[in-house]
Amino acid sequence: EVQLVESGGGLVQPGGSLRLSCATSGFNISNNYMNWVRQAPGKGLQCVAVVYSGGSTDYADSVKGRFTISRDNSKNTLYLQMNSLRAEDTAVYYCAKVNMAHNGFDHWGQGTLVTVSS
Amino acid sequence: EIVMTQSPATLSVSPGERVTLSCRASQSVNSNVAWYQQKPGQAPRLLIYGASSRATGIPARFSGSGSGTEFTLTISSLQSEDLAVYYCQQHYNWPPRYTFGQGTKLEIK
Repeated sequence: EVQLVESGGGLVQPGGSLRLSCATSGFNISNNYMNWVRQAPGKGLQCVAVVYSGGSTDYADSVKGRFTISRDNSKNTLYLQMNSLRAEDTAVYYCAKVNMAHNGFDHWGQGTLVTVSS
Repeated sequence: EIVMTQSPATLSVSPGERVTLSCRASQSVNSNVAWYQQKPGQAPRLLIYGASSRATGIPARFSGSGSGTEFTLTISSLQSEDLAVYYCQQHYNWPPRYTFGQGTKLEIK
C-alpha cells in the first residue's frame, strides 16, 4: 500500500527556516516524479517544487532561490528545505506522488501546516 | 506559464442534478489535464487523468472530456458526498510543470 506522511511543519518567524519531510512507503521515490503542493488558508493549490526521477528539479517562481527539494532514496523520503520564509508562505504543504503512466497525482500525504508569523 | 481558468467559482446544486464544471487553458495542452476533488480538511483526490480517464475507484458518475484548451468535468447525478471543491490541472510541458486552476466549489442550493 502506498503511503505518504509529512512532518516538520510549525510556527516560524519571518526570515526563518524550516525543513519538511515526507516519509513514503509502498513504492520507490527514485523512480517517480515527486511534488510539494501548498494551499494557503482558504485558497487553491499551488505546486511549489518537483523532483523528477532523474534527479533534476523545478520550482515555482515565488519560491525559487529560497526553497530546495531533495530526496533520500535510501530512506524513501522527500524533503523541502524552506529558507527566508515570508508570511505569504503560510500554507498546508502536501507531498504528492506522480503516476508515471499518466502524470496525475495519484497519492497525497495528509499535509503539514506551516505558519510564518512574528 | 500555462494558466488554467475554471468557471464558475461557485456552483449551487441539488442532489440528483447533472453538474458540469469548466476549465480553460491559456494555450493548447492536448489532453494533458487531470481533475481533483477536495473535501474540507482533506487532501485532494485524483478523479480524472488524461482529460477523460477515471482514476482507480472513482464512481462512473464522474466523467471528463475535452482537448486543446477546453475541458469539462461532469457529474451525471450529484450525490451529497460530492459537495467539495474541484480543481483542474495541466501537465503539458516536458519535463512537466504542473499548474492548477483556482477551483470550483459545489455547494447546496
